Amino acid sequence: GQNIDQPTEMTATEGAIVQINCTYQTSGFNGLFWYQQHAGEAPTFLSYNVLDGLEEKGRFSSFLSRSKGYSYLLLKELQMKDSASYLCAVVDSNYQLIWGAGTKLIIKP
Amino acid sequence: DVKVTQSSRYLVKRTGEKVFLECVQDMDHENMFWYRQDPGLGLRLIYFSYDVKMKEKGDIPEGYSVSREKKERFSLILESASTNQTSMYLCASSRYSDGSSYEQYFGPGTRLTVT
Repeated sequence: GQNIDQPTEMTATEGAIVQINCTYQTSGFNGLFWYQQHAGEAPTFLSYNVLDGLEEKGRFSSFLSRSKGYSYLLLKELQMKDSASYLCAVVDSNYQLIWGAGTKLIIKP
Repeated sequence: DVKVTQSSRYLVKRTGEKVFLECVQDMDHENMFWYRQDPGLGLRLIYFSYDVKMKEKGDIPEGYSVSREKKERFSLILESASTNQTSMYLCASSRYSDGSSYEQYFGPGTRLTVT
């Protein structure tokens, strides 16, 4: 079967750094997405990784290791508006997105 | 900007009613998707479509049907709504090509309550 694992919930402090991990076991791999979803809203695109390594985009960075079936999303200089759920999704061999259940990130002042 | 719209943000229906959820995208995307999202379960794919009049079952198609008569519009139909179909329904679209074009763009969602 196909499986994506993320922690259910994480808590961090405003101004700090947090790393959200995602491990996957899928039939094939054609890339990995991270999406952000605020409560009651639609998911919005954050990043896409298809090659190993770190992709940086402002305060957010995403890392991929295909050999380990592992990715993480790194959020720096946390702001209250970063309180949201973060969804990891893998593109499988059929070019379908397989979604993780999401990680709810709570930012405290 | 890609825009995906859904006909209703909130909907309350009674058990046994026929329910139509409409989704429209304005970026000429080939692919369209219907998901439901429930706490702790993440996004689950109900149906998707690669082209007009084409449809494919996702992971949880039971109790649902879809229609795609025009490229920009994808409808989800609950033939006889049941309480276990109370959920957030999200429509998404994507372009059919390589690389990050598999990115899916989501509508705002419809929170459906079946009583």
